[in-house]
Amino acid sequence: EAGVTQFPSHSVIEKGQTVTLRCDPISGHDNLYWYRRVMGKEIKFLLHFVKESKQDESGMPNNRFLAERTGGTYSTLKVQPAELEDSGVYFCASSPSGFNTEAFFGQGTRLTVV
Amino acid sequence: DQQVKQNSPSLSVQEGRISILNCDYTNSMFDYFLWYKKYPAEGPTFLISISSIKDKNEDGRFTVFLNKSAKHLSLHIVPSQPGDSAVYFCAATRTGTASKLTFGTGTRLQVTL
Repeated sequence: EAGVTQFPSHSVIEKGQTVTLRCDPISGHDNLYWYRRVMGKEIKFLLHFVKESKQDESGMPNNRFLAERTGGTYSTLKVQPAELEDSGVYFCASSPSGFNTEAFFGQGTRLTVV
Repeated sequence: DQQVKQNSPSLSVQEGRISILNCDYTNSMFDYFLWYKKYPAEGPTFLISISSIKDKNEDGRFTVFLNKSAKHLSLHIVPSQPGDSAVYFCAATRTGTASKLTFGTGTRLQVTL
């Protein structure tokens, strides 16, 4: 069974440009999460989808970040325009429905804004 | 305001000995706790969890202890193996919030020969 897949694995863009990160969750997982880790700090929650609906987007830094989940399958996270402080590793995770279910993480996308 | 804290950024342990990784939390609403292990260039991998109704959970070489009154948990690895060298993240959540996790900053464990 395929795990959580993220694309690209690494992206270097200039300040002001747009970047779109993609996440393919484990098939059948209703829950999809985006997290971010900045420069060796804690991994921080960004948002949570249940199927195609945004359940919780309290962790989104500002309106330069836009997340979508098409048809409840894959998800994209767009940063527009990118700023230097957006650099970090963006993780996607998915979990099945139910309480206290284990979240499976992708390998992450390392975003560097120069 | 960091709600989950791992105060030791790194730990070095000899192979065969016990590794003890510590984690403290401040939010009393947290009732489910997890440990994740992370290798370089990989995503975190679930290791072990514990619910607040328990004070200990064991899985092979890994045991997690929870002290609710102290808002403290620890991960014990016995015996430690070189393959255990990784960054370990403590995470917490509230039942009913699925897997919206609050993570600590991680502890880098190095198991030496």
